[in-house]
Amino acid sequence: QSALTQPASVSGSPGQSITISCTGTSSDVGSYDLVSWYQQHPGKAPKLMIYEGSKRPSGVSNRFSGSKSGNTASLTISGLQAEDEADYYCCSYAGSSTLVFGEGTKLTVL
Amino acid sequence: QVQLVQSGAEVKKPGASVKVSCKASGYTFTNYAMHWVRQSPGQRLEWMGWINAGNGNTKYSQKFQGRVTITRDTSASTAYMELSSLRYEDTAVYYCARGPWAFDIWGQGTMVIVSS
Repeated sequence: QSALTQPASVSGSPGQSITISCTGTSSDVGSYDLVSWYQQHPGKAPKLMIYEGSKRPSGVSNRFSGSKSGNTASLTISGLQAEDEADYYCCSYAGSSTLVFGEGTKLTVL
Repeated sequence: QVQLVQSGAEVKKPGASVKVSCKASGYTFTNYAMHWVRQSPGQRLEWMGWINAGNGNTKYSQKFQGRVTITRDTSASTAYMELSSLRYEDTAVYYCARGPWAFDIWGQGTMVIVSS
């Protein structure tokens, strides 16, 4: 199972919006509404930001939103803040009770 | 509060095995899945496999099939991940995470170093 494709890095200025893409195939992202997104700060465990494609867990800012089109899922962060600087990973159900992570994207807040 | 607490760091020689524990508290252990995810230094997250804590059924990533075994002890609300035939490239932080298909609770991570 190959990793889902994410851009290695994205950047934005405070207050701007950015979008991170996560491209899979018709066997994973394209077939299931089970994409989740994680934020990871250096040396910390990942934190769930979005699940089932577009749902936000309690306590996660509404500046974070998720969507999907075809085989590509996206995470959008609006109103960028300095504390959003982190690595972001997507994860998708891939059939047969398996999961696959994305390559990860480093977000830099300029 | 809901939390997962993992066992401490390990240093192992190539060819050895390591067993990492993950103790759950604050929720009904058998109602959820437990997944294991690893992250090599500077690398991406990698899904290794999971166990249905209720019935004990498991599923492993093809990459680790044959080398990884995930078990659980319901009386102790603890899940275990054992990785055998360790190689230098297995040096990583190993996380447990509560499922089923999104990981809402994570353990603090266990560093496993493979070194001769």
